Amino acid sequence: AQTVTQSQPEMSVQEAETVTLSCTYDTSESNYYLFWYKQPPSRQMILVIRQEAYKQQNATENRFSVNFQKAAKSFSLKISDSQLGDTAMYFCAFMKRGGANSKLTFGKGITLSVRP
Amino acid sequence: EAGVTQSPTHLIKTRGQQATLRCSPISGHTSVYWYQQALGLGLQFLLWYDEGEERNRGNFPPRFSGRQFPNYSSELNVNALELEDSALYLCASSLYQLAGDTQYFGPGTRLTVL
Repeated sequence: AQTVTQSQPEMSVQEAETVTLSCTYDTSESNYYLFWYKQPPSRQMILVIRQEAYKQQNATENRFSVNFQKAAKSFSLKISDSQLGDTAMYFCAFMKRGGANSKLTFGKGITLSVRP
Repeated sequence: EAGVTQSPTHLIKTRGQQATLRCSPISGHTSVYWYQQALGLGLQFLLWYDEGEERNRGNFPPRFSGRQFPNYSSELNVNALELEDSALYLCASSLYQLAGDTQYFGPGTRLTVL
């Protein structure tokens, strides 16, 4: 079974600064996907970024980028130029590739507050 | 393009009653997933439907059930409600279930059991 660990329950960052959210996971699989989802107070889960495990290159989406360390089973999210709208709960998630395992396994989440 | 929609937004039931939650996937998506987000328990996978069939089920009792209709919309039924069933129920949809495609979430249904 897969597990996803987000050890920091809360973080705070000043607007316009950079923050890194940590995530580690445990799996014996070699083919999988990793995701970061954002859940603002409105509660709608929004995909932030996705990484395929077979890709060496770290995924980026505008101000969001990941540091994917496959050997260390680490998948951190860096948010650059933080904005007030980035205030939300962030979840790291794992999905095994293919077959009857197309389900997301989530970490506990981290609450990020962006201060004006 | 319309996103995943869920109804109702809020649902209040008493212990022992039945609850029915509904989900409409993004147009063209054939897979629908249900997750429970309970306070203190995080997000847990409940059920996965694809092409009208249940493909996978999480570690939940049989009183959690559902179905997927020919138009790919889905219904989650929770029978004999218990207080601990109070949670946010999220539905997600994806296009290719075998490719591990990205799941897109709806706004959720907040179920409160009194």
